[in-house]
Amino acid sequence: AQSVTQPDARVTVSEGASLQLRCKYSYSATPYLFWYVQYPRQGLQLLLKYYSGDPVVQGVNSFEAEFSKSNSSFHLQKASVHWSDSAVYFCALSMSHSGYNKLTFGKGTVLLVSP
Amino acid sequence: GPKVLQIPSHQIIDMGQMVTLNCDPVSNHLYFYWYKQILGQQMEFLVNFYNGKVMEKSKLFKDQFSVERPDGSYFTLKIQPTALEDSAVYFCASRKGGGNYAEQFFGPGTRLTVL
Repeated sequence: AQSVTQPDARVTVSEGASLQLRCKYSYSATPYLFWYVQYPRQGLQLLLKYYSGDPVVQGVNSFEAEFSKSNSSFHLQKASVHWSDSAVYFCALSMSHSGYNKLTFGKGTVLLVSP
Repeated sequence: GPKVLQIPSHQIIDMGQMVTLNCDPVSNHLYFYWYKQILGQQMEFLVNFYNGKVMEKSKLFKDQFSVERPDGSYFTLKIQPTALEDSAVYFCASRKGGGNYAEQFFGPGTRLTVL
């Protein structure tokens, strides 16, 4: 069965610092991978997604993620965080053989950006 | 961007009663989903719905659960009767089409508390 693990429940970084949020997945084939962000009292919003091609994928608000098949990882990165990036971040996968696109989520990482 | 609305944002109900959670999906979307998140755990897929039918459901989608979208109105999740373990945040999502790579748009969730 497929699974997603986000090992860090909470990450605190200073404004202007770089960021990496970790995501590991377990799936027998190549999955579709997603990063979503949730701001308070809002729905999840897609940051970026990956299936094939260049393992570094660019997303909104200068986020990017790097896919590694050998490490079964899809880590989210940002070179310089802003206080408004404080939110909950979810990594998710969709199985390539399923036609209905159900998502399997990690537990989420709470990002706090301190001034 | 497109928004999914969920009504109500919070529902408190006594065990054994019926509850209906309402989702107003993006207007031209065709696929609809419910996910469940128990406090401290990851969001888990419940069910997806297309063309008036349940296409796929998980083990969490108990016999007491049902979904429908009559006449293109709200996409609803009904629980009858409710149990204590149904306390969770329920997220609705919709997508237009496009297979497993297509973005799902999420609502902000309904927090259900069963007493």
